[in-house]
Amino acid sequence: VQLVESGGGVAQPGESLRLSCAASGFTFSNFGIHWVRKAPGKGLEWVAFIRSDGSHKYFADSVMGRFTISRDDSKNTVFLQMSSLTSEDTAVYFCGKEFSPSSPPDPPDAVDFWGQGTMVTVSS
Amino acid sequence: DIQMTQSPSTLSASLGDRVTITCRASPSVSNYLAWYQQKPGKAPKLLIYRASTLQGGVPSRFSGSGSGTDFTLTINSLQPDDFATYYCQQYNSYSPTFGQGTKLEIK
Repeated sequence: VQLVESGGGVAQPGESLRLSCAASGFTFSNFGIHWVRKAPGKGLEWVAFIRSDGSHKYFADSVMGRFTISRDDSKNTVFLQMSSLTSEDTAVYFCGKEFSPSSPPDPPDAVDFWGQGTMVTVSS
Repeated sequence: DIQMTQSPSTLSASLGDRVTITCRASPSVSNYLAWYQQKPGKAPKLLIYRASTLQGGVPSRFSGSGSGTDFTLTINSLQPDDFATYYCQQYNSYSPTFGQGTKLEIK
């Protein structure tokens, strides 16, 4: 199993960035994918999740209405579109595969494999 | 949102010690509780899921217990590789939440 994030970089407040999470080594279409971030000096914060079929998406309150999540199963890739960025979004962003396939009404499963992370810096 | 309160925030211990980290959930999360280990600059690593099930490849000196609102992670006979930050996470909701983390330091 391998997950590789990309798309991080430096953005000014109010700008947008799109992160990608490219997956391999498992049947991608069977599993939901999480995004989790770690800001400098802070703990882990769950950000978003997309179900295996893309039908349901969940977001942390801190990013609701600003971030969207999508997936392209033909490319084994999940995207995190981030807009209206603020300094509070500065963090390393990790994607993670859920441990076992889940479907509503069950909540998403825990993460068993993680990418190496991509750094997002929001600064003027 | 479900609140996760983890303690202590920092823990100093010596090689060979036995340590315990606690995590309290409000409200109950049944047994949908995971523990992760994270080292600086690295991705988290899943240690335990469903509160007490050891993930494959994780040394048996790690163990988890609890259900409902109170959980513990115990590490027996600390090894050099164990000094890291540990997080609990509940996944009994559509908005999983982490504890604030426990940094395990060498005394």
